[in-house]
Amino acid sequence: GDSVTQMEGPVTLSEEAFLTINCTYTATGYPSLFWYVQYPGEGLQLLLKATKADDKGSNKGFEATYRKETTSFHLEKGSVQVSDSAVYFCALSARTNAGKSTFGDGTTLTVKP
Amino acid sequence: NAGVTQTPKFQVLKTGQSMTLQCAQDMNHEYMSWYRQDPGMGLRLIHYSVGAGITDQGEVPNGYNVSRSTTEDFPLRLLSAAPSQTSVYFCASSLSGVGTDTQYFGPGTRLTVL
Repeated sequence: GDSVTQMEGPVTLSEEAFLTINCTYTATGYPSLFWYVQYPGEGLQLLLKATKADDKGSNKGFEATYRKETTSFHLEKGSVQVSDSAVYFCALSARTNAGKSTFGDGTTLTVKP
Repeated sequence: NAGVTQTPKFQVLKTGQSMTLQCAQDMNHEYMSWYRQDPGMGLRLIHYSVGAGITDQGEVPNGYNVSRSTTEDFPLRLLSAAPSQTSVYFCASSLSGVGTDTQYFGPGTRLTVL
């Protein structure tokens, strides 16, 4: 079945540091890939997505590129802020199963001033 | 737009009790789903619905029932609560359920079963 593997956390960075959170996936066909973010006490919200190979999703300074050859969708940000502290989830949705999403385990990011 | 709303925010049950978690959305989305979130395990799909009157099981359906009588509402029923159902429950909706759709999540219900 489909699966998503995220780098293990937690991740602690200083403000303005570079962020990478690795995500690799296993799926049949051509899934859509997502990064969701969960702030403390809240539900998940979409951060960015890519729906086909070589697409780059971007939002709020975060970027991720859909790499079919390496089955990866790594999240990057050039300069993190304290307000980026949250849990980040990588997810995929296969085109043929009514949009049921498979989520990674989540990576907790803490940014210190 | 209120988006996706869930009630209650917190609930404590005793083993064997039953209850219903409420979920509603005002975005006219066809697809709705329930997930549970356990520490270090991401989100796991419990049940989902592709439209009013149509529901199906997800990855972890045992101990839960759902129905979808309207487009807006998708309640989750715990028939006889067990400590293993202690978790945070999220309801989500998307426009049509196709793989490219974004899912919109509610704020969650934190359930403790004693």
